[in-house]
Amino acid sequence: AQSVTQLDSQVPVFEEAPVELRCNYSSSVSVYLFWYVQYPNQGLQLLLKYLSGSTLVKGINGFEAEFNKSQTSFHLRKPSVHISDTAEYFCAVSVRGNDGNSLVFGAGTILRVKS
Amino acid sequence: GAVVSQHPSRVICKSGTSVKIECRSLDFQATTMFWYRQFPKQSLMLMATSNEGSKATYEQGVEKDKFLINHASLTLSTLTVTSAHPEDSSFYICSATGYNEQFFGPGTRLTVL
Repeated sequence: AQSVTQLDSQVPVFEEAPVELRCNYSSSVSVYLFWYVQYPNQGLQLLLKYLSGSTLVKGINGFEAEFNKSQTSFHLRKPSVHISDTAEYFCAVSVRGNDGNSLVFGAGTILRVKS
Repeated sequence: GAVVSQHPSRVICKSGTSVKIECRSLDFQATTMFWYRQFPKQSLMLMATSNEGSKATYEQGVEKDKFLINHASLTLSTLTVTSAHPEDSSFYICSATGYNEQFFGPGTRLTVL
């Protein structure tokens, strides 16, 4: 079975500073990896995904993530955050090669951007 | 990109009543849809997998007789919370698979008084 660990429940950061949200996963098989953002009282929006190929994945809103197989990590980064990036971020994994599989989510990390 | 809608977005009901939530894939066909539940300040937890034309598969601990799922077509799945109680109050989110990705609906906020 897969599991996802998001090491930080909350990350406060000042506007225009860089940020990294950490995500580690465990799985005995190859996986797809995702980062989603959730604004208050809204559904999930996909930021980026890793399916195969280049380990550095670029997403929307200036976010990127790097798949590190040896460390089983998929950390999310942004070089300069904005107030509007304040939201909750979820890392998720699904079993690779099976489009019908559900996602397993991490507990989420609340990013608070301060002015 | 692919769009998934949910209706209603918010519902308040009395304890003991039933509530139906619809999940639609608007511009693609989805043989598989998923229903998640999110309690305040918690992550999403999978409730069930809905497959078009067959019975839903429920996760351990989820009562299938309380949370009725019907996947009647390739674009519509419904979740009915029967005899709702205050502890069923939650944010319910559906998703549909396509293009090696899951597309999420905007969620339904259920409040049971």
